Amino acid sequence: ILNVEQSPQSLHVQEGDSTNFTCSFPSSNFYALHWYRWETAKSPEALFVMTLNGDEKKKGRISATLNTKEGYSYLYIKGSQPEDSATYLCAFANSGYALNFGKGTSLLVTP
Amino acid sequence: DAGVIQSPRHEVTEMGQEVTLRCKPISGHDYLFWYRQTMMRGLELLIYFNNNVPIDDSGMPEDRFSAKMPNASFSTLKIQPSEPRDSAVYFCASRRGPTTYEQYFGPGTRLTVT
Repeated sequence: ILNVEQSPQSLHVQEGDSTNFTCSFPSSNFYALHWYRWETAKSPEALFVMTLNGDEKKKGRISATLNTKEGYSYLYIKGSQPEDSATYLCAFANSGYALNFGKGTSLLVTP
Repeated sequence: DAGVIQSPRHEVTEMGQEVTLRCKPISGHDYLFWYRQTMMRGLELLIYFNNNVPIDDSGMPEDRFSAKMPNASFSTLKIQPSEPRDSAVYFCASRRGPTTYEQYFGPGTRLTVT
């Protein structure tokens, strides 16, 4: 079992605030890093897949960066909105087969 | 495509009964995964298949759990006999290719064992 750590465990921000979360993973045998968005009572949906050190991906107000040498990825949300409230999962792969998920960061954005 | 389809969406059963969860992956996807989600342990990988062949079942908690994939469009996860500690949400997911590709999750089956 590979240790994927996410912090903080939960976060409460006001609408309009920008925020970021961290995902830490083993720095050896890196293959891919995924970010998923998981709304309550729904299933996880893929946000980003990153494979190269230094990768940066962006989708609207959400962006992510990847540092494979030190084993971390950041997810940024600019100008948080209530609809951004969800759990954000990261998942690390050291092979082409299976993902190892962290326990997620639960984000609540209040108006 | 309709996405990953799981049935039933909710299952309530009594301890000792057999439970069968079903999954239809996205057409063309060659990887299929079964996960269990609990508050304590988060999202745990139970077993995965590549081209209908089980590759790694090390996450299956015990012999009461079994999974099959008789063809590319159908998989089952069976629990026999079920126990209250099996209560969880079970997700099926599929993927086209290795982990450099996105993984798509089904809506999950919420299992309650009384």
